[in-house]
Formats: sequence, C-alpha cells, structure tokens
Amino acid sequence: NAGVMQNPRHLVRRRGQEARLRCSPMKGHSHVYWYRQLPEEGLKFMVYLQKENIIDESGMPKERFSAEFPKEGPSILRIQQVVRGDSAAYFCASSPPAGGAGGYTFGSGTRLTVV
Amino acid sequence: GEDVEQSLFLSVREGDSSVINCTYTDSSSTYLYWYKQEPGAGLQLLTYIFSNMDMKQDQRLTVLLNKKDKHLSLRIADTQTGDSAIYFCAESGVSGGYNKLIFGAGTRLAVHP
Repeated sequence: NAGVMQNPRHLVRRRGQEARLRCSPMKGHSHVYWYRQLPEEGLKFMVYLQKENIIDESGMPKERFSAEFPKEGPSILRIQQVVRGDSAAYFCASSPPAGGAGGYTFGSGTRLTVV
Repeated sequence: GEDVEQSLFLSVREGDSSVINCTYTDSSSTYLYWYKQEPGAGLQLLTYIFSNMDMKQDQRLTVLLNKKDKHLSLRIADTQTGDSAIYFCAESGVSGGYNKLIFGAGTRLAVHP
C-alpha cells in the first residue's frame, strides 16, 4: 500500500514559468490537503479538496495559484508565473473520508526553487 | 484566530530526556498531534492525543496535555542521535465538517554525544 506520492521531488523553474505539482493520495483516501513550508518555517494550510470539489481554499493566494482534484488522476497544484517568493516545499496530505483521529498522511513534498 | 506556538530550538545530550513544549489557542481542538520531520523529508506522524485525555504514552514517547492552559508537551526518553529532527505540534478541530490541521513553526531538536 503505497503512501502519498508526490512528484516531482525537486522542481526548478525560472521566474515567469509555470509550476505543476502532483499528488496521488493513499489508496482509499478521497481527501487531499496542500500545505506550503517556507524555509525555516512551519507548514501553512493552502487548500483542501475532495474529488472534483474544492472544499476550503482559504490559504491559497488569490492570484496565480490554483488546485484541482479530478475524478481520475492525481491532485494538481498549479502556480502560474512563478516568482522567487514561491520557492518553498509543498506538501500534500491525504485522509480517509471520515477524517478521524489518525490525522493526515503526508507525502515527501515537492521542493520548488525559482531562479 | 487559531495559533500554535513552539520554542524553536532544543539541544540535549544523548541518553537524556527531551521535552518539547507547545501552546495552542483553539479551545475547541479535538485532537493534538506531534509530527517529526527529518532533513529533506516529509512529515511523519509520531503520536496524537484526544482532547479529553491528559496523558498518552507510546514506548519512548509521552504526551502531556493541559487543556486548561492549552499546553501540550512531548517527552522523548533516552534521546538518541536518530531523534535529531524538527518536531511539529499541530491542533485540529472539526471546522466546516472536516479536520483542519494548524501547525506550529517546529522545534529543531539537536542531540549531541
């Protein structure tokens, strides 16, 4: 039973390019959460999705950032026209529908570097 | 609003006990968690405690919860060099029908011989 799979592990983009980060949840998990970790900081909530629905995007920047979790395939976090300040580790987590005590299972993250 | 605070650094000698502290603000938190992050890796769930409990022990780990003071601690007995990592405290409460985790900034634990 594979855990939460994120790819790529490392991504380098030039300013102005687009970044696409992918997350496949654990088998049986239908809830996906994206968090961002800036250097030397904790994790900040970005967005919570279920299949084909964005439930809570209160942590997403208003511009350039979008997320989706289609019926088939992984969840995608998309950052358009990246800037240096977008450099961070982006973590995806998943949980089963009931949520519950077990918390989330996290992926290993995608480390985005904007040059 | 919701906020979780932790001290940023802790240095201990190998074999000693480590105590990492955390305070939180959301009194409606249902569960409180401790996650471990090793360099370049994701977050590993270490343990969690339900908000109506005072203490939970799991091998070398002891979690203490003072709900009145909104204070959570993680004690690691017989700390080893492999315990060197960043430890994150997180709170969650059911908000909008789901558990939303709010993390502290993390405590960097350094274990030296």
